[in-house]
Amino acid sequence: NAGVTQTPKFQVLKTGQSMTLQCAQDMNHEYMSWYRQDPGMGLRLIHYSVGAGITDQGEVPNGYNVSRSTTEDFPLRLLSAAPSQTSVYFCASSYSYNPGELFFGEGSRLTVL
Amino acid sequence: TQLLEQSPQFLSIQEGENLTVYCNSSSVFSSLQWYRQEPGEGPVLLVTVVTGGEVKKLKRLTFQFGDARKDSSLHITAAQPGDTGLYLCAGFFNDYKLSFGAGTTVTVRA
Repeated sequence: NAGVTQTPKFQVLKTGQSMTLQCAQDMNHEYMSWYRQDPGMGLRLIHYSVGAGITDQGEVPNGYNVSRSTTEDFPLRLLSAAPSQTSVYFCASSYSYNPGELFFGEGSRLTVL
Repeated sequence: TQLLEQSPQFLSIQEGENLTVYCNSSSVFSSLQWYRQEPGEGPVLLVTVVTGGEVKKLKRLTFQFGDARKDSSLHITAAQPGDTGLYLCAGFFNDYKLSFGAGTTVTVRA
C-alpha cells in the first residue's frame, strides 16, 4: 500500500543549486501533479500531467521543470534554486480528473538558503 | 491571486460546539472538493460536490454546494478534538486544474 511516495522528505539547498524532487505512484493513475504549500496561501499548482509524455503548466510554473516518461514517475526539477522556492512540495495522483480524488504524498520540505 | 476565498482563516472552539467554514469564488466551479490535512501529512479528500444546491453528509460533517456553483460551506456539528486540522476547499475550473483555497485551521479544545 505505498500509494504516492516522495523523496527526499527534507532538503536544504544553497541559492543557485539544482535538484530533483522524486515522485512515484503505484496505483496506475494517469493524472499526476505537483503543488507547493506556503503559509496562508494553501496549495498552488506548479505542473501537472494527464499521462506519460504529456505535461502542462499550472499556476506557478516558473523555475520548475517536469517530465513524465512513465506512468509511475513524475519528477520535479528546480533548475537554479532561489529562497522564494522555500516551501513544502506535494505530489498528487488521481485515477480521473474533474472530478477525481487526489491522493497526496507526505510532502518534501525544501529550504533554500 | 486566490481564485477561492476561504473564511475564517482560523477557528478555535470548545468540544461540543458547532462550526462552519466558507468557500467562495467569483467564478463557477464545475465541481468542488473539501480536503482535510493534518500536520506533516498530505491532504485527504472528504467529499466531492458536483450539482448546484447539493448537500452531502459525512457523519457530523455537512457539505453544501451553492445553487450557482460559486460557493460552498462545511458545517461540523458537535465538534470533537479529532476534528482539529486544516480544511481546504478546492475547485475544478476546467478539466485538469484543481485550485485550492488558502485553508481554514480548525482547533477543537477538549
